[in-house]
Amino acid sequence: GAGVSQSPSNKVTEKGKDVELRCDPISGHTALYWYRQSLGQGLEFLIYFQGNSAPDKSGLPSDRFSAERTGGSVSTLTIQRTQQEDSAVYLCASSFRQDPAYEQYFGPGTRLTVT
Amino acid sequence: AQSVTQLDSQVPVFEEAPVELRCNYSSSVSVYLFWYVQYPNQGLQLLLKYLSGSTLVESINGFEAEFNKSQTSFHLRKPSVHISDTAEYFCAVKGSGAGSYQLTFGKGTKLSVIP
Repeated sequence: GAGVSQSPSNKVTEKGKDVELRCDPISGHTALYWYRQSLGQGLEFLIYFQGNSAPDKSGLPSDRFSAERTGGSVSTLTIQRTQQEDSAVYLCASSFRQDPAYEQYFGPGTRLTVT
Repeated sequence: AQSVTQLDSQVPVFEEAPVELRCNYSSSVSVYLFWYVQYPNQGLQLLLKYLSGSTLVESINGFEAEFNKSQTSFHLRKPSVHISDTAEYFCAVKGSGAGSYQLTFGKGTKLSVIP
């Protein structure tokens, strides 16, 4: 079946602009996660959604970052007023349930470059 | 809270030689342990995982990892590497209790297989 998809695959933006990154999880997966992969910090957790429950935003680095998940499926990560330190690969993952034993399946990522 | 340390950022090894990629973790609770692999320009793929039971887990492509609770380690090994194993490998940990869903990753080890 189809895996996790993300769009765009690459995004170049100017400092100060807003960007939206999209994630389509695997059909039937109720849990959705966003991570960030950057050279200096490695892989960092950003935000977690479980079904229609309130998300865990504890990993978001600043209030310029926000995310939503519509209808318990597609998710959008928005970064406002982008800064150069936001340059990274943003990875989305989904799992069948939030039970920790369930595997997280990762998408190919969106490479964000802020110039 | 958990943390993961991958002691080697880069490991060069000749083709058909054995390799060990080291991973140590710290956690105040019981954990599940994972190894993910990231091939060049691709997303993260689960290589193997330890949830419970036998402390030695194997992947379909010849890798194995052993959970050592006393040493808080989950080292990844392969007796004979191939060129196609060239990739970055990430060790990750997740709490096994209810409400645990966030993966905490090590900073990765780049395995380069030399012909």
